[in-house]
Amino acid sequence: AQSVTQLGSHVSVSEGALVLLRCNYSSSVPPYLFWYVQYPNQGLQLLLKYTTGATLVKGINGFEAEFKKSETSFHLTKPSAHMSDAAEYFCAVSDRRTGNQFYFGTGTSLTVIP
Amino acid sequence: EAGVTQFPSHSVIEKGQTVTLRCDPISGHDNLYWYRRVMGKEIKFLLHFVKESKQDESGMPNNRFLAERTGGTYSTLKVQPAELEDSGVYFCASSQLDRVSYEQYFGPGTRLTVT
Repeated sequence: AQSVTQLGSHVSVSEGALVLLRCNYSSSVPPYLFWYVQYPNQGLQLLLKYTTGATLVKGINGFEAEFKKSETSFHLTKPSAHMSDAAEYFCAVSDRRTGNQFYFGTGTSLTVIP
Repeated sequence: EAGVTQFPSHSVIEKGQTVTLRCDPISGHDNLYWYRRVMGKEIKFLLHFVKESKQDESGMPNNRFLAERTGGTYSTLKVQPAELEDSGVYFCASSQLDRVSYEQYFGPGTRLTVT
């Protein structure tokens, strides 16, 4: 089975600072990779995904992530944090061979300090 | 286009009672998934419907959980009888039939508290 590791259950950054949320997966075959965000009292919203092609993926709200096969990583970054980025972020993968279920990390709660 | 909706948003029940959660997927989405997040842990897969058929129910924790999707539209997840460890947030997601490995669209979740 797949497993997803998100280092840091809580991350705090100052407004305007770089956001870096880490995600590593365990799979011998690179999976499909996703980042979701959950704002308070809302559902999970897709930020970006990697399925094939260019390894640097751009998403909504200025976020991007880079798939690094050699490091089995898919870290999420944003050059300059905004107060509205405060939310919980989830990394998820699905198996290219079987698809269907997603495997999630434990989530990272991002706090933006004014 | 309406997103995935779930009802109720919150439910507080006593141990031993029954609760039924409902999910309405995006119209036209044949894939429907249930997930659960227990506090502090990862979101875990429960089961997957393709239309009205259960494609994969490997994540269902035990036989106290029963999921149905009559007519291939909305789905219900019944917990009977509820136990304390069933507390958590239950998410529903849907996707189009030919895109099983692409993004899933999630609902806001139902927060279940068993006391």
